[in-house]
Amino acid sequence: GDSVTQMEGPVTLSEEAFLTINCTYTATGYPSLFWYVQYPGEGLQLLLKATKADDKGSNKGFEATYRKETTSFHLEKGSVQVSDSAVYFCALRGRDDKIIFGKGTRLHILP
Amino acid sequence: NAGVTQTPKFQVLKTGQSMTLQCAQDMNHEYMSWYRQDPGMGLRLIHYSVGAGITDQGEVPNGYNVSRSTTEDFPLRLLSAAPSQTSVYFCASRGAGAGPSYEQYFGPGTRLTVT
Repeated sequence: GDSVTQMEGPVTLSEEAFLTINCTYTATGYPSLFWYVQYPGEGLQLLLKATKADDKGSNKGFEATYRKETTSFHLEKGSVQVSDSAVYFCALRGRDDKIIFGKGTRLHILP
Repeated sequence: NAGVTQTPKFQVLKTGQSMTLQCAQDMNHEYMSWYRQDPGMGLRLIHYSVGAGITDQGEVPNGYNVSRSTTEDFPLRLLSAAPSQTSVYFCASRGAGAGPSYEQYFGPGTRLTVT
């Protein structure tokens, strides 16, 4: 069945560092891909999305590109802030319309 | 427009007790889901519904029941709580249709402890 694998955390960076969180997927057909963010004590919020190959999703300085050849959707940000500290989830929406989540990556940004 | 609401925010149960976690949405979304979130496990789908009167099992349905009598409400029932059901529960909703990019909205979560 469909699945999402993302890098394990926690990831700890200094403020203004470059961020990459890796995400790869397994799915039949052409899934839609998402990154969600969960701030402490809150539910998940959609951060960005891409619905077809080579699409780039972007929001709040974060970017991810849908790479079908490598089945990847890595999350990047050029200069992280303390306020970016959260848990990040990669997810896909497959042919059966269910949304499958990765296990999440906790990000700590040090001032 | 309140979005997705969940009650209660916190709950402590004793083993064997039953309870219902409430979920409601006011966006006229057809698709509603229940997830549980456990450390190191991400979010796992418990049950979902594609419309009033229609429900189906997700990845971890055992010990939980759901019903969908209206578009707005999707309660999750624990018939006989077990310590393994200690978790944070999230309800989510989204529109259906052919568009692949319909956003899923999450409630704030219910933190359940079973002793």
